[in-house]
Amino acid sequence: IAGITQAPTSQILAAGRRMTLRCTQDMRHNAMYWYRQDLGLGLRLIHYSNTAGTTGKGEVPDGYSVSRANTDDFPLTLASAVPSQTSVYFCASSDSGVSGANVLTFGAGSRLTVL
Amino acid sequence: QKEVEQNSGPLSVPEGAIASLNCTYSDRVSQSFFWYRQYSGKSPELIMSIYSNGDKEDGRFTAQLNKASQYVSLLIRDSQPSDSATYLCAVNSGVSGGGADGLTFGKGTHLIIQP
Repeated sequence: IAGITQAPTSQILAAGRRMTLRCTQDMRHNAMYWYRQDLGLGLRLIHYSNTAGTTGKGEVPDGYSVSRANTDDFPLTLASAVPSQTSVYFCASSDSGVSGANVLTFGAGSRLTVL
Repeated sequence: QKEVEQNSGPLSVPEGAIASLNCTYSDRVSQSFFWYRQYSGKSPELIMSIYSNGDKEDGRFTAQLNKASQYVSLLIRDSQPSDSATYLCAVNSGVSGGGADGLTFGKGTHLIIQP
């Protein structure tokens, strides 16, 4: 593993199903994030985590949940998927010990289609 | 609602010319500013970061920041076809108020370098 690994790369999912997108980083970054990217809307923050054991809501958190049991892993769960959650999901991390200095490194993305 | 505005383009520039990309942001207390490049189907990658008013140069790239005008720009000198991509402006969003509070992204400017 080098950097951030996301899985699956792509998934087609029936509406109402539960889905977990996995994200693992090997850089020992303290902060991790989930963004979704939609055409015409850009990248929008779903949830973030400043450090293991803590999480927070971003701009579009509804319908999503996250957990941060350890430094490396930050899974994103859709409890009951809906078609509006069709998107490309990017996990990112940063080593930002100083306020205002957060440089994000992104994973390759997970393309999710909800039918 | 913190906002980051960019012209979506496409911005077409002849090879060898200077490409100028612009961005404005709404939150006066923003402290960190970034330019990311995103090729089609790929994840964003950091090009430049800037934290203080003025210019910052790195190779063919120059970032310019004017906090009084809430304006940040990216200049690409000697533009190459490989510079053709979407350029995302990002600003420290201050979601959590701490050091790892994610970024707010603009919707991106699609740049085309014409050979």
